Amino acid sequence: TQLLEQSPQFLSIQEGENLTVYCNSSSVFSSLQWYRQEPGEGPVLLVTVVTGGEVKKLKRLTFQFGDARKDSSLHITAAQPGDTGLYLCAGARDYGQNFVFGPGTRLSVLP
Amino acid sequence: NAGVMQNPRHLVRRRGQEARLRCSPMKGHSHVYWYRQLPEEGLKFMVYLQKENIIDESGMPKERFSAEFPKEGPSILRIQQVVRGDSAAYFCASSPQGERKLFFGEGSRLTVL
Repeated sequence: TQLLEQSPQFLSIQEGENLTVYCNSSSVFSSLQWYRQEPGEGPVLLVTVVTGGEVKKLKRLTFQFGDARKDSSLHITAAQPGDTGLYLCAGARDYGQNFVFGPGTRLSVLP
Repeated sequence: NAGVMQNPRHLVRRRGQEARLRCSPMKGHSHVYWYRQLPEEGLKFMVYLQKENIIDESGMPKERFSAEFPKEGPSILRIQQVVRGDSAAYFCASSPQGERKLFFGEGSRLTVL
């Protein structure tokens, strides 16, 4: 049983479109991170959210942490081919515990 | 400021041999995590270590797998008597004390023939 679920599993869109991917859990997390991983490389941290309801923006990416700290979303505006990759969410329940990863959303942005 | 360094990047072993994967964390980072990733899948937690201590090994198989992070030198993930099912990418990540962020290496890809 996955502690973190991500949807959709796969997403293929055209350049310039907007998209939202989701990360959901029945557990409460003290913090949640989003990472992007490209083929043959390790994941790269995009953002950390720690407060329920928090919204963070990183250029065309907007991250939101749910009020109950059980879910998060990542919205990309005007997607570009360079956004292609595997988007992973990861949660930590308490300090000193490990980070649990979701299965990822594989995004393909076509030119 | 070097990132997390993993070696070897690629390792081929025959069934029954041993595999040793090394990870040097970022400078100043005292926490190391090991994850395993199968093709087209997410990351599965294996073990979380601080210097000379295993904090959480709940994701580590009970047999054949071990990990250490000595006072001096890199963290080592050791797989004894490898089987084909051990073929995967193994990622190491480090984090600084008091921060909830992971910085990943580029991974070690193990192929068991």
